Amino acid sequence: DVKVTQSSRYLVKRTGEKVFLECVQDMDHENMFWYRQDPGLGLRLIYFSYDVKMKEKGDIPEGYSVSREKKERFSLILESASTNQTSMYLCASSPLSGPGIVSEQYFGPGTRLTVT
Amino acid sequence: GENVEQHPSTLSVQEGDSAVIKCTYSDSASNYFPWYKQELGKRPQLIIDIRSNVGEKKDQRIAVTLNKTAKHFSLHITETQPEDSAVYFCAASISPYNTDKLIFGTGTRLQVFP
Repeated sequence: DVKVTQSSRYLVKRTGEKVFLECVQDMDHENMFWYRQDPGLGLRLIYFSYDVKMKEKGDIPEGYSVSREKKERFSLILESASTNQTSMYLCASSPLSGPGIVSEQYFGPGTRLTVT
Repeated sequence: GENVEQHPSTLSVQEGDSAVIKCTYSDSASNYFPWYKQELGKRPQLIIDIRSNVGEKKDQRIAVTLNKTAKHFSLHITETQPEDSAVYFCAASISPYNTDKLIFGTGTRLQVFP
């Protein structure tokens, strides 16, 4: 059974703080993703990684960075948190399936971040 | 850029009725179309998916249809039950080749009234 865990369910931070959100998956998946979920906007991709130390920008990377030092762990970093980064953050992972084949993404429980 | 539009944003049905959610996509190279269900306070979970070489797929009370020419796909839930109440997201894969990215629709909140 695939398990994706996130370090916190709820987090409250102050404007300007550096924030780390951690995600760990236990299924040896190559791909890992960070999304933010906002009402009426669905799931928007921030960054993704298809291998250790590899990363690619998603649709809304501004204000965020990521780190993937180990295959099972993918971190999202808010360099200087702002109130407009208050949101639900979801991590996901998927296996690398092959040319032209996309696999199911497995999601973590989410971290609700509030920036005050 | 690539886009997935999802309608309606909210849907209320009586228990036992059918529910249909529709999505359109812009990237003609998209070849994978999953549907995720997110219950209140829980993570999104895959409920059904379809690939571009198939026009329809069923799994008990849920089915998905795909029209590649028109670039739209739909989720059909028959004999709805209160436990079907959730937010449903459609998604489409994005080219270029070998990319495992998905682009998601904005979600549909389905409420099933007993």
